[in-house]
Amino acid sequence: EDKVVQSPLSLVVHEGDTVTLNCSYEVTNFRSLLWYKQEKKAPTFLFMLTSSGIEKKSGRLSSILDKKELFSILNITATQTGDSAIYLCAVEGAQKLVFGQGTRLTINP
Amino acid sequence: NAGVMQNPRHLVRRRGQEARLRCSPMKGHSHVYWYRQLPEEGLKFMVYLQKENIIDESGMPKERFSAEFPKEGPSILRIQQVVRGDSAAYFCASSPLASGTEAFFGQGTRLTVV
Repeated sequence: EDKVVQSPLSLVVHEGDTVTLNCSYEVTNFRSLLWYKQEKKAPTFLFMLTSSGIEKKSGRLSSILDKKELFSILNITATQTGDSAIYLCAVEGAQKLVFGQGTRLTINP
Repeated sequence: NAGVMQNPRHLVRRRGQEARLRCSPMKGHSHVYWYRQLPEEGLKFMVYLQKENIIDESGMPKERFSAEFPKEGPSILRIQQVVRGDSAAYFCASSPLASGTEAFFGQGTRLTVV
């Protein structure tokens, strides 16, 4: 059975800290790994990763994929209170996305 | 180009009633996915449809749940004889291709069964 596991499930840090969110997966017919941010509404797309070792970057957020070890990390530097959200990792397997349970990130001022 | 539109945003049903959730994909998108999110849980895949076809329904409960994506009109997720355990947020996503592109999500329908 396809499986995506995120850790930690919950993380509380202070504004300005750097955080690393983890996502490991076991999915047949891997096509891509995606990161989403969910703030009480629909998940919004952050990154799509298909190749190992190539870092994707958007502002303070960056992500990288390791297809040999079957995991990805999402880094957020200089965190702000607006980064508080649930971060979802999803892996595209055979025609569908399999989601992890998410990491609830809370940034305290 | 409007995003993925789901309606209603909130739906309250009594036990035993039927719930109909609608999803209009983004213009040009012919692939629709339905997900269910229970409180404190991640998104769980339910069904993947293309126009007039169900491609993968491996995540759909065998009873009471059905989905369609007709040639004209929105995709419909139908839940018959709802029970309290059906209370959840139901998200629809659409994409233009079967794979290789990110899916765009609607705002979700929050179903509450009382």
